Amino acid sequence: GENVEQHPSTLSVQEGDSAVIKCTYSDSASNYFPWYKQELGKGPQLIIDIRSNVGEKKDQRIAVTLNKTAKHFSLHITETQPEDSAVYFCAASPDSNYQLIWGAGTKLIIKP
Amino acid sequence: GAGVSQSPRYKVAKRGQDVALRCDPISGHVSLFWYQQALGQGPEFLTYFQNEAQLDKSGLPSDRFFAERPEGSVSTLKIQRTQQEDSAVYLCASSQPAGRSNQPQHFGDGTRLSIL
Repeated sequence: GENVEQHPSTLSVQEGDSAVIKCTYSDSASNYFPWYKQELGKGPQLIIDIRSNVGEKKDQRIAVTLNKTAKHFSLHITETQPEDSAVYFCAASPDSNYQLIWGAGTKLIIKP
Repeated sequence: GAGVSQSPRYKVAKRGQDVALRCDPISGHVSLFWYQQALGQGPEFLTYFQNEAQLDKSGLPSDRFFAERPEGSVSTLKIQRTQQEDSAVYLCASSQPAGRSNQPQHFGDGTRLSIL
C-alpha cells in the first residue's frame, strides 16, 4: 500500500522568510496530492492540492511542486506571516474521492 | 454555507462503555469519510460511504467499530466496549457534490475521545 513520508517534523523560520516542506510517496498509482493546515483544536483545512497532470500550482503565497518520476512533492510558503504557524500535512491518493494517506505532519513556527 | 459539523466535540468515557459520534456532512455531499487521528500524528482512514452505501471499511481497527449512514446524509461512528487505545480525535470529511467530480475532502473539527 501507499506510504507517505514528510520532512521536517518541525520547521522554524523568521517572519517574512520562505518555508519549504517535502513529502515522498511510494505508490505510482497516486495521482492526487493535497496539503492541509491544521490549527490546534481544529480539523484539517485544505490549502492547496495538485494532480499528477501538472508539475506546479500556485495560489498567492503558497505553491506546490510535484515530481512524479521521483515520487516527491513539496509545499512552498513565501513571505511567511505569524498566522501561518500551524501543523501542515501532505497526503496522497489515487483520487480525491478516495481515502487519503497522510504524512506525519510538520509543525511550522514563524518567529516574529 | 455550513461546513462539516461533528458532535460532541469532546467525549469522555470509561473503559468498556459504548460511544456514538455524529457527523453532519456538507449538504448535498455524496461522499463521507471517517479518519482517526492519534496525538501528534496524521489522520488514518477508517471508512468511506457513497450516499448510504459503505464502500470501504478496511480501516476499521476491530469489530468493535461500526459506522452507518442510513439516509445518505448524517453518519454515526459507534465504538463498542471502548479501550484506552481508542483515545484519539475522530475526524469526518465530506466531498463530491452530486454531479461533480474531482472535489477535495472538507473536514469537520473532530470529536476528541478520551477513554479513562
